[in-house]
Amino acid sequence: AQSVTQLDSHVSVSEGTPVLLRCNYSSSYSPSLFWYVQHPNKGLQLLLKYTSAATLVKGINGFEAEFKKSETSFHLTKPSAHMSDAAEYFCVVSDRFGGAGNMLTFGGGTRLMVKP
Amino acid sequence: ETGVTQSPTHLIKTRGQQVTLRCSSQSGHNTVSWYQQALGQGPQFIFQYYREEENGRGNFPPRFSGLQFPNYSSELNVNALELDDSALYLCASSPDDGQGAYEQYFGPGTRLTVT
Repeated sequence: AQSVTQLDSHVSVSEGTPVLLRCNYSSSYSPSLFWYVQHPNKGLQLLLKYTSAATLVKGINGFEAEFKKSETSFHLTKPSAHMSDAAEYFCVVSDRFGGAGNMLTFGGGTRLMVKP
Repeated sequence: ETGVTQSPTHLIKTRGQQVTLRCSSQSGHNTVSWYQQALGQGPQFIFQYYREEENGRGNFPPRFSGLQFPNYSSELNVNALELDDSALYLCASSPDDGQGAYEQYFGPGTRLTVT
């Protein structure tokens, strides 16, 4: 089974400074990777996805992530944090099973706090 | 385009009771998955339905069961509720691209509290 590890449970940045949320994955083959964001008392929103095309993936709200096979990493970055970015972020890997199905395996999450 | 919707928003049940949660998939999506998210944790995969059949299941006991209907909406049923079943239950839908759907689109969730 594939897995992801989010290296920081909490990250705190000041508004306007860069954001880095770290994720390492474990996979026996080329994985499909995602970042999702969850705002308080809300569902999960897809930020971006990697599916073996370009290694630098651009997502919504200025976020991007780089797939590095040699480091088994898929870190999420944003050049300048905004107060509205404060939320829980999940690194996710897709696992295939029989037929046309796949399940998502989530990391433990990183809570991003943005200080004014 | 209507997104994934879930009902009810909140629910309080007593240990030993049974509960049914409902989900309407996003328009055009024929695959529905259910996840359990305990407080402070990432979601855990329960099962997935494709064309009204369960085609994958996570590490959850048989008292967690589901249905998918011809319009691709879905239900999650939990029997003999336990205190540890208290969680946010998330439904996600995805389109069938013929290769195995990848990204999933989530509803807002149902918050279940078992007392």
